[in-house]
Amino acid sequence: GESVGLHLPTLSVQEGDNSIINCAYSNSASDYFIWYKQESGKGPQFIIDIRSNMDKRQGQRVTVLLNKTVKHLSLQIAATQPGDSAVYFCAENIAADSWGKLQFGAGTQVVVTP
Amino acid sequence: ETGVTQTPRHLVMGMTNKKSLKCEQHLGHNAMYWYKQSAKKPLELMFVYSLEERVENNSVPSRFSPECPNSSHLFLHLHTLQPEDSALYLCASSQDIRGTASTYNEQFFGPGTRLTVL
Repeated sequence: GESVGLHLPTLSVQEGDNSIINCAYSNSASDYFIWYKQESGKGPQFIIDIRSNMDKRQGQRVTVLLNKTVKHLSLQIAATQPGDSAVYFCAENIAADSWGKLQFGAGTQVVVTP
Repeated sequence: ETGVTQTPRHLVMGMTNKKSLKCEQHLGHNAMYWYKQSAKKPLELMFVYSLEERVENNSVPSRFSPECPNSSHLFLHLHTLQPEDSALYLCASSQDIRGTASTYNEQFFGPGTRLTVL
């Protein structure tokens, strides 16, 4: 079946460097994508989202890129900080204007080293 | 209290026990969700409620029984669980289950209940 997945289970990044977390999706009907951050002992927290009619969206220190041609989603974190250490999930929603389940990837563990 | 709260945060139970997980949202949302998060696996949607009515039951075993007495509270009643049910159980809420062409109903998650079944 169609699913959301992540290329790298663990990403080690030096403090101050940029991080790039990748996500592959296979559901061509998905029109909305979300990145969540989950710190240890906490529930997932919304970071940034993007609709399928966009290819880039920027937030505070984060940028999400969407390449529909290859069904690829990425999250870029600028100047990674120790507080960015967490598991990052991508999720897709099939249709924002109807009940569409959020389908999550397995997650990427980001470890920020000093 | 703000956001989505869950109690207890940790629960250890035997296979013959009956326990309940509680979720409360202070956001004025109309939809609430239960998810199961197992180690190294994607979040699995279990149940969805909209205005206290169940709209999704994702092939969950009957040993899990949800209850939504009002739009602010959601319970997950547990009985005769198996060790493989040990996981983090997350509750979430959103304004509604349906978005519009221009907005998406973001789901806000609670901290979860870490359940261990012995």
